[in-house]
Amino acid sequence: DAMVIQNPRYQVTQFGKPVTLSCSQTLNHNVMYWYQQKSSQAPKLLFHYYDKDFNNEADTPDNFQSRRPNTSFCFLDIRSPGLGDAAMYLCATSRGRGAGEETQYFGPGTRLLVL
Amino acid sequence: GDSVTQMEGPVTLSEEAFLTINCTYTATGYPSLFWYVQYPGEGLQLLLKATKADDKGSNKGFEATYRKETTSFHLEKGSVQVSDSAVYFCALSGPGQNFVFGPGTRLSVLP
Repeated sequence: DAMVIQNPRYQVTQFGKPVTLSCSQTLNHNVMYWYQQKSSQAPKLLFHYYDKDFNNEADTPDNFQSRRPNTSFCFLDIRSPGLGDAAMYLCATSRGRGAGEETQYFGPGTRLLVL
Repeated sequence: GDSVTQMEGPVTLSEEAFLTINCTYTATGYPSLFWYVQYPGEGLQLLLKATKADDKGSNKGFEATYRKETTSFHLEKGSVQVSDSAVYFCALSGPGQNFVFGPGTRLSVLP
């Protein structure tokens, strides 16, 4: 089945120690998104890639970076995690951004714990 | 800007009860509307969607109708099960725009 995969499901890191979360997709979708979600609040969009074009949200801290080396993979890098960065991180994909293409499909998430 | 309002709950129902979760939206143009469900510790799963006025989305016994005149997309299910316990998110998306999510509604179904 076509899907969005996130690894690992749980990640523990230390305060200030860089961490990378990964996402892969078998849907061959053009757009990949990273969201941060705290305590079953609504997901908050950090950034998205449309193919190789990176689109950062205005309020995403510089501490968060992303890479998309190819269509299938996208990475979230947190350069210096703080306690406030502990959250569920959700990856999503969509075929496009236009009408009829915008449905987003989510991975299972990576729960990040910062000690 | 665009926004989504939904009852925040928690909503607690007995098994086999009728479910309604209200969702209203404010948007320019004609967005697509979505319901997503999130089970504990999991990502969001697409439950149903509607892309134009009067469309009805349905899946797994859940239904919602895109009502342009009342700017609503209420989620309904005739008979809930314990396994429906989850958080439900209403969302909208206009062409080229980011998703706008509601705050989520936690549903607990008791046996």
